[in-house]
Amino acid sequence: DIEMTQSPSSLSASVGDTVTISCRASHSIAYVSWFQQKPGKAPKVLIYSTSILQSGVSSRFSGSGSWPDFTLTISDLQFEDSATYYCQQTYSPPLTFGGGTRVEIK
Amino acid sequence: QGHLVESGGGVVQPGGSLRLSCAVSEFTFSRYGMHWVRQAPGKGLQWVAVISSDGTNTYYADPLKGRFTISRDNSKDTLFLQVNDLRTEDTAVYYCARANGAYSYRIESWGQGTLVIVSS
Repeated sequence: DIEMTQSPSSLSASVGDTVTISCRASHSIAYVSWFQQKPGKAPKVLIYSTSILQSGVSSRFSGSGSWPDFTLTISDLQFEDSATYYCQQTYSPPLTFGGGTRVEIK
Repeated sequence: QGHLVESGGGVVQPGGSLRLSCAVSEFTFSRYGMHWVRQAPGKGLQWVAVISSDGTNTYYADPLKGRFTISRDNSKDTLFLQVNDLRTEDTAVYYCARANGAYSYRIESWGQGTLVIVSS
């Protein structure tokens, strides 16, 4: 199985900061998706195919990278970005998720 | 991107069985692959299974093989997850999610989830 190692597990940043979240894949993959989840809510798609912004998602979110390292960047951090973020490899089943990164806004 | 509504959750005793359903609307169900993903309380997302649009291809998370069965009824626009021999560690919110194509793995949209509690 492909393991997705996500880091950091949590971070705290201020409004206006730029933060990056990383995912490292244990085996060669082509693409990842990124999701945002707020407490008590279903996840929301942010990025797919590594770097394509889902329709309706703020352009402050961006994705990049190639195997083994993939990155989600949030620019100009806002209060509403407080959430947990997950990567998922969409290359080959089983379609594993990273462990999640909790983002706190100071 | 459609509307997905899960049902069938509840409290079940260890060793019991449950069939979860996901009723969809506002898109042509038979054209899309579908996933189940679960989340234990306070934990991260765990991918469970995927099924192709016509039901011919299914894949499962390795630890869940044998107890979990994903299926679909395209005539009723409904996805199912049969779970047998339930264990306390199966306690979770179970989400159904739509893929972005017939044989695609990429998740495009999510339901709101149904809670399963395994407890005596």
